[in-house]
Amino acid sequence: EVQLVESGGGLVQPGGSLRLSCAASGFTFSSYEMNWVRQAPGKGLEWVSYISSSGSTIYYADSVKGRFTISRDNAKNSLYLQMNSLRAEDTAVYYCARESADYWGQGTLVTVSS
Amino acid sequence: DIQMTQSPSSLSASVGDRVTITCRASQSISSYLNWYQQKPGKAPKLLIYAASSLQSGVPSRFSGSGSGTDFTLTISSLQPEDFATYYCQQSYSTPSITFGQGTRLEIK
Repeated sequence: EVQLVESGGGLVQPGGSLRLSCAASGFTFSSYEMNWVRQAPGKGLEWVSYISSSGSTIYYADSVKGRFTISRDNAKNSLYLQMNSLRAEDTAVYYCARESADYWGQGTLVTVSS
Repeated sequence: DIQMTQSPSSLSASVGDRVTITCRASQSISSYLNWYQQKPGKAPKLLIYAASSLQSGVPSRFSGSGSGTDFTLTISSLQPEDFATYYCQQSYSTPSITFGQGTRLEIK
């Protein structure tokens, strides 16, 4: 069974940093591209970042470019999102999603507030 | 960026009704269109991929159609568990995928 489990969310002050993790199981993680998608409270879905299966190709939404860094460790079946210079508008549930977004994790809530 | 516009934004219907939700892309996306169902506090669940292919395990009352810029999601006979928010998503410009704003399906 495919499982994606996010962790690392929490309350952080504006300008602060947070690192999200996504633990994958039930499939060959190293063969799949991965994405981070977020959803602000009561709002729709917004794609955040993409990483290829090897980690060699990476893309970001303009809203997070220069502040967020996506990475992966295929030996640990894990995906990461390093978030720096956080803003109030980054407050959202962050989901990791497999390649074509056929499977999603349960999400982790990030709240940016003083 | 490719913009996705869903209509209606919300919809009230009864159990047993036939319901159709539409999604329009700002440019042609061929059949690179997925539909998701999301219930409160839960992750989105893939229902339809490539515009008309039913994801494994999804009931056959769900169907999708369309290509180019205009797409529809149809639920042939609403069940109580179908009341949720539905999103379309284009994967034509992957990895920069974009979603529609969502359609909230409520019980009448």
